[in-house]
This record gives sequence, structure tokens and C-alpha cells, in this order.
Amino acid sequence: DTAVSQTPKYLVTQMGNDKSIKCEQNLGHDTMYWYKQDSKKFLKIMFSYNNKELIINETVPNRFSPKSPDKAHLNLHINSLELGDSAVYFCASSQNPGTSYEQYFGPGTRLTVT
Amino acid sequence: SQQGEEDPQALSIQEGENATMNCSYKTSINNLQWYRQNSGRGLVHLILIRSNEREKHSGRLRVTLDTSKKSSSLLITASRAADTASYFCATDAYGNNRLAFGKGNQVVVIP
Repeated sequence: DTAVSQTPKYLVTQMGNDKSIKCEQNLGHDTMYWYKQDSKKFLKIMFSYNNKELIINETVPNRFSPKSPDKAHLNLHINSLELGDSAVYFCASSQNPGTSYEQYFGPGTRLTVT
Repeated sequence: SQQGEEDPQALSIQEGENATMNCSYKTSINNLQWYRQNSGRGLVHLILIRSNEREKHSGRLRVTLDTSKKSSSLLITASRAADTASYFCATDAYGNNRLAFGKGNQVVVIP
């Protein structure tokens, strides 16, 4: 059983388009995250939700909008895609954010903007 | 937010040898975590060491933490070809799981 799943795995689109990436976790975790990994493999947190509530919102363009319909899902919608948005996006989940627990990562979504 | 910085960034070793990589950070932390990323995959948690711990073991992994030097090391003993991956350290400054990742070490284990 896949613990953290993301769809799609690959996404190729043109500048200016709007796209969404979906994430689901079946671990019963309360907290979910979105990370962006650039071409140099640098990984940076974008957002974090705890029980559908936004708790981390890093300096990310407002073209990026996370949505959490329930605590098992955290989707990422990106408007007006730009070339610089090309990266691998990872979803992750963990237990209560107030204590330190390991994070479980999804397989990633490779976004290519042309 | 702080970042871990691994050193060296690329390491190539023979199977059976030990691999050591280091991570330095800039501010105080609550804990430090190491993750592995195989090519084209998501990250996998390896080990977490808290700021009041100095050393931790998990199987063939040994992690040390020196908070006075703001550095950590990850040692993989008796490496295997399957250990070929990128290894990242991540710091948690406040114990709230807001991780700041370093750049990663690429380790290649030659069979």
C-alpha cells in the first residue's frame, strides 16, 4: 500500500496554463506538506497544513494555492505557470507538528513548463 | 530559516567501505534528521537525533551531533550498492517539524 501518493507523476505544460497536483496519505497523519526541489536538488518547504488548517506558508508566489479538503488530502494548484516553476514537487506527511516526527514523502511530481 | 550544508557533496566508494558525510548549520536546533533520496524517488527518513543527544545508531548508520560546532555527521558502514543515493540533512529549529534541508550528498557505491 502506498503511504503518500501523488498524481500525476509527470506534468508537462505551457507557460500561462493552470495546473493541479494531488496528494493523498493513508497513514492517518494530521500534518501534510508541499516541498519544491529544484534542478540542483535543493529542497524547500512551501506549505504545511494541520487538520486542514494552514500552518506554514513560506514566501511563495500567490499563484500557488494549496487546498486541503480533508486531513488525508493536500492538493496544490498553480495558476499562470512560469518557466521557473519547473521543478519536482513533493508532498509529505507527519504526525502532530508540535513534536518532532519523521516525514513521509510521496514519489514526487516532475513539472516541466515550456 | 537555517539550512544544513552537507560536505562533501559527491562521494564515490567501493562496496564494503564506509561512507561519511557531514552537515553544518547556522543556528540552534531542536533536532536534526537525515533522509535518503534514491534517483527519481521521494525522500526516506533515516534517523532523527535530538539536540541533547550526541550519537545515535540505526543498523549500519551512525549519526553524531555536535551542537557546539553546529555540525552532524552520517556514517554508513559496510556500504552496499543499494546505498547509492543522495543523502540530506534537515534541521528543525523549534521542534515543530518545520524542516530546513541542506543541499544533499551524492553517494555512489561501486559494486
